[in-house]
Amino acid sequence: NAGVMQNPRHLVRRRGQEARLRCSPMKGHSHVYWYRQLPEEGLKFMVYLQKENIIDESGMPKERFSAEFPKEGPSILRIQQVVRGDSAAYFCASSPGQGWNTGELFFGEGSRLTVL
Amino acid sequence: AQSVTQLGSHVSVSEGALVLLRCNYSSSVPPYLFWYVQYPNQGLQLLLKYTSAATLVKGINGFEAEFKKSETSFHLTKPSAHMSDAAEYFCAVIPNQGGKLIFGQGTELSVKP
Repeated sequence: NAGVMQNPRHLVRRRGQEARLRCSPMKGHSHVYWYRQLPEEGLKFMVYLQKENIIDESGMPKERFSAEFPKEGPSILRIQQVVRGDSAAYFCASSPGQGWNTGELFFGEGSRLTVL
Repeated sequence: AQSVTQLGSHVSVSEGALVLLRCNYSSSVPPYLFWYVQYPNQGLQLLLKYTSAATLVKGINGFEAEFKKSETSFHLTKPSAHMSDAAEYFCAVIPNQGGKLIFGQGTELSVKP
């Protein structure tokens, strides 16, 4: 399967722990986007990255959240000191070029974070 | 800020009936518009997109949407619903200047036998 791969699919953390969500884009895609879907809400943009660069992080909370897309390996969304409000589905998407201009983002199946 | 509004968070239709999911956008200049579908426990899949070419756009699985500038709408339709169409549908927009893909709140479609 050459689709966008996210892991883990489900993650349970206690308050104060760290959560790391991984995303491997489709083969040949160099642009990665993270979205968060809270219960009963739509998808909210978090961050847009290219290899080794953060292009747009205007949707990232100011504290505890960070993202990276290294030269080698998957993109990582990191949430430090998780709180119950971080419980959500986190979706990664990728595109071959500047997906903003086409809207054709290819989504993974999501990582569902539950904070106890 | 530019956005899309989906009217109705839940829509229920009978199998074989018309499906109509509503989406309105806020923009003074026609943006790029999209419909995505999300099946349970899966990611989003692009159904169709409008990028200022034909105003009636045909997508996958028999869905289509019509861009109406006068109504700032981009409603999604399908003549005859199938049970397999049960899913959540998201309207999305790229504002005219480009930038991030902005999603609506989503509409959950249920199909009754």
